[in-house]
Amino acid sequence: GQSLEQPSEVTAVEGAIVQINCTYQTSGFYGLSWYQQHDGGAPTFLSYNGLDGLEETGRFSSFLSRSDSYGYLLLQELQMKDSASYFCAVFPGYSNASKIIFGSGTRLSIQP
Amino acid sequence: DSGVTQTPKHLITATGQRVTLRCSPRSGDLSVYWYQQSLDQGLQFLIQYYNGEERAKGNILERFSAQQFPDLHSELNLSSLELGDSALYFCASNALGLEYNEQFFGPGTRLTVL
Repeated sequence: GQSLEQPSEVTAVEGAIVQINCTYQTSGFYGLSWYQQHDGGAPTFLSYNGLDGLEETGRFSSFLSRSDSYGYLLLQELQMKDSASYFCAVFPGYSNASKIIFGSGTRLSIQP
Repeated sequence: DSGVTQTPKHLITATGQRVTLRCSPRSGDLSVYWYQQSLDQGLQFLIQYYNGEERAKGNILERFSAQQFPDLHSELNLSSLELGDSALYFCASNALGLEYNEQFFGPGTRLTVL
């Protein structure tokens, strides 16, 4: 079957760097995305890795290694507003039921 | 504001009832996705429509159905409701219906089944 694993909670300090990992068990997928969701809010898109390697967007970077079935989201210069849940998602694309798979999310808490 | 609207914001109903959730995609987007998010859980993909046609079906129960109308708004119908159906229901949209492209999420409808 297909599954995604993320840590359920991560705590970091304001101004620091944090990495949120996502490991998966699926094959033949288009790529890996990251979404951010604040409490009570809607998910918002952060990044998409269609190819292996690092994608950088401002303070956030995302990495994918298909050979290792692994990706991560890197958040730098953490700010209090980064406190949120972060979801990775893969897109196997080869059958309807598995077309979009989200992880169960990592709750990031930033402390002053 | 993503440009995606969902109504109602909150819905409280009883077991066995039927409800309809409504979603209007961003202007110009042809594809709508529906998701269920239970308490402290990830997003479960339910169904996708593109330009009025069903494109993909995920873990959607037989008691649930959806459609996309000619004006591209979509409705998710939930029937014979059970306590376990209580959740946040999100719709999302994007232009080309490619699921790995950025999806723009609406604010969600919180359904409570008593």
